[in-house]
Amino acid sequence: SQQGEEDPQALSIQEGENATMNCSYKTSINNLQWYRQNSGRGLVHLILIRSNEREKHSGRLRVTLDTSKKSSSLLITASRAADTASYFCATDELRGGSEKLVFGKGTKLTVNP
Amino acid sequence: ETGVTQSPTHLIKTRGQQVTLRCSSQSGHNTVSWYQQALGQGPQFIFQYYREEENGRGNFPPRFSGLQFPNYSSELNVNALELDDSALYLCASSLVAAEAFFGQGTRLTVV
Repeated sequence: SQQGEEDPQALSIQEGENATMNCSYKTSINNLQWYRQNSGRGLVHLILIRSNEREKHSGRLRVTLDTSKKSSSLLITASRAADTASYFCATDELRGGSEKLVFGKGTKLTVNP
Repeated sequence: ETGVTQSPTHLIKTRGQQVTLRCSSQSGHNTVSWYQQALGQGPQFIFQYYREEENGRGNFPPRFSGLQFPNYSSELNVNALELDDSALYLCASSLVAAEAFFGQGTRLTVV
């Protein structure tokens, strides 16, 4: 079963606009990671935020984490056509000593030129 | 470039056959995990290897098996292939409690 749920499932914006994607999860976590995936290829790591952090920035990316609401958001500012991709959040789930990542179904972002 | 490489990139197999997928971890990473991603879904955890030992398994049958080698490279083996095994198989390498970096995946088609 999938823990993380991204919202919205699809998002279409114009180049230069900001894109916000949300992620909700169910259990306690140590950290949450965001990934980008282009056209069914590999996942590109964007950012990791730990449970004791509330906000993190990387270039045009801003991630927030609210552990009380079990939710996270990814903001992409000044979007570009090259940002068109699917975005996934992944939470770590410690089970039997292993760290497995639990993914949602992703948000499909389309940035129109 | 993550430093994680997977081979082959694409593969077509017949139902009932066996397949081996390979993954070369990023230098210095001692943990490798495998995921299956069906079309339109998020990746699903298959299993994880840490220092050559299986260290956790998802909800996949025993015909999915793996190995990790002393150089931390890894293999995923799937026996008795079924049509539903058609998917993108992703390998991720990491250190404990750190970012996981994925390879480009192997697209497996079972016909």
